[in-house]
Amino acid sequence: DQQVKQNSPSLSVQEGRISILNCDYTNSMFDYFLWYKKYPAEGPTFLISISSIKDKNEDGRFTVFLNKSAKHLSLHIVPSQPGDSAVYFCAALGGGSNYKLTFGKGTLLTVNP
Amino acid sequence: GAGVSQSPRYKVAKRGQDVALRCDPISGHVSLFWYQQALGQGPEFLTYFQNEAQLDKSGLPSDRFFAERPEGSVSTLKIQRTQQEDSAVYLCASSYGLAGGSEETQYFGPGTRLLVL
Repeated sequence: DQQVKQNSPSLSVQEGRISILNCDYTNSMFDYFLWYKKYPAEGPTFLISISSIKDKNEDGRFTVFLNKSAKHLSLHIVPSQPGDSAVYFCAALGGGSNYKLTFGKGTLLTVNP
Repeated sequence: GAGVSQSPRYKVAKRGQDVALRCDPISGHVSLFWYQQALGQGPEFLTYFQNEAQLDKSGLPSDRFFAERPEGSVSTLKIQRTQQEDSAVYLCASSYGLAGGSEETQYFGPGTRLLVL
């Protein structure tokens, strides 16, 4: 049973517009959430994270929002750039383990020039 | 500085063959993790080392999978009598401190793509 779900396999946006990537989770014990970015033939690279005690975390063009009651988080990229084109993985920590990352299946973001 | 490196990058094995996958973590990193990523899936946890001690091997799919980190730096993931379902990308990650702090970012290597024919 998938505990972290990314229901959109792909997303396409125009350069300069906002990209919104969504993630849902089922385990209410998760208390820390991360987004990783992955280019082809490379390993995942940490992008941004958020603790469950917060509802928003911002780092430059990247903002992550957490809605605990809905068990939903989203990653906003503004403005989107062609170099942002990659697979984005949502991951969670907690639920009995604070080192075992539980990943979603990923969303392929394509930013068109 | 140098990141996590893995070798080989690609490995083709015949069913039944043994394989060994190597991970060189970032120098000085205490914690080391192995993940398995099947096609179209996210990475799934296999095992965790703190220095040379294997503290968690709950994700290893079967007793054909064995991991070691004898000197607390380089790690090897060994798969005996490979099966077709073992085909996946095997990712290694390391973090600086003792895993357990949420702020301990895991840094991933590029992975080894294993294809079992």
